[in-house]
Amino acid sequence: QSVLTQPPSVSAAPGQKVTISCSGSSSNIGNNYVSWYQQLPGTAPKLLIYDNNKRPSGIPDRFSGSKSGTSATLGITGLQTGDEADYYCGTWDSSLSGVEFGGGTRLTVL
Amino acid sequence: QVHLQESGPGLVKPSETLSLTCAVSGYSINNGYFWGWIRQPPGKGLEWIGCIYHSGSTSYNPSLRSRVTMLADTSKNHFSLKLNSVTAADTAVYYCVRFEGYSSSWSGDGFFDYWGQGILVTISS
Repeated sequence: QSVLTQPPSVSAAPGQKVTISCSGSSSNIGNNYVSWYQQLPGTAPKLLIYDNNKRPSGIPDRFSGSKSGTSATLGITGLQTGDEADYYCGTWDSSLSGVEFGGGTRLTVL
Repeated sequence: QVHLQESGPGLVKPSETLSLTCAVSGYSINNGYFWGWIRQPPGKGLEWIGCIYHSGSTSYNPSLRSRVTMLADTSKNHFSLKLNSVTAADTAVYYCVRFEGYSSSWSGDGFFDYWGQGILVTISS
């Protein structure tokens, strides 16, 4: 059981917007940066968001990240079928002394 | 462009040692960053195993620390993972990664910016 809680699944229609939450505590999200990873079917995860809200080069601005208190949120606008993937949040947990990931959220674009 | 490639046996017997190597190209591990391993059991989520700096300093997942050893070979520009006393629960896709932190000393605060393609390791007799 992960210390970072994500919804198991979310879905939305093409062109719509979706948000994925990642809930933690003061020992992890509350005091450390959050990153997000996209894992397309059958492939390795890819960095999507780092430092809570920054996008690596090549990541479209349809993807955004935010953090408030002990929760973080990934937002995706203008959904495309190619966005169907598993999304993971990650951060350091100072109580556990380890990097922790959320359980992952499967995005379905209907 | 940084490229990471895992290699090693795809099948390991229970109680034996899992050994993997990650070859890095496009960047010298001697120049900095932490390098590490993350695994993903079939159909499940991601689990951080640990990270190593080129100097040899390491940080391991506390739940695996007693069984894990990581080494860095700067002359070959690769790093390795050994996990001993494996069981079926260690069956997973193992990814090697580059970790970008905010200092040369480990704090855990950072992100994984490059990933290998992953290698499936099955623990079975």
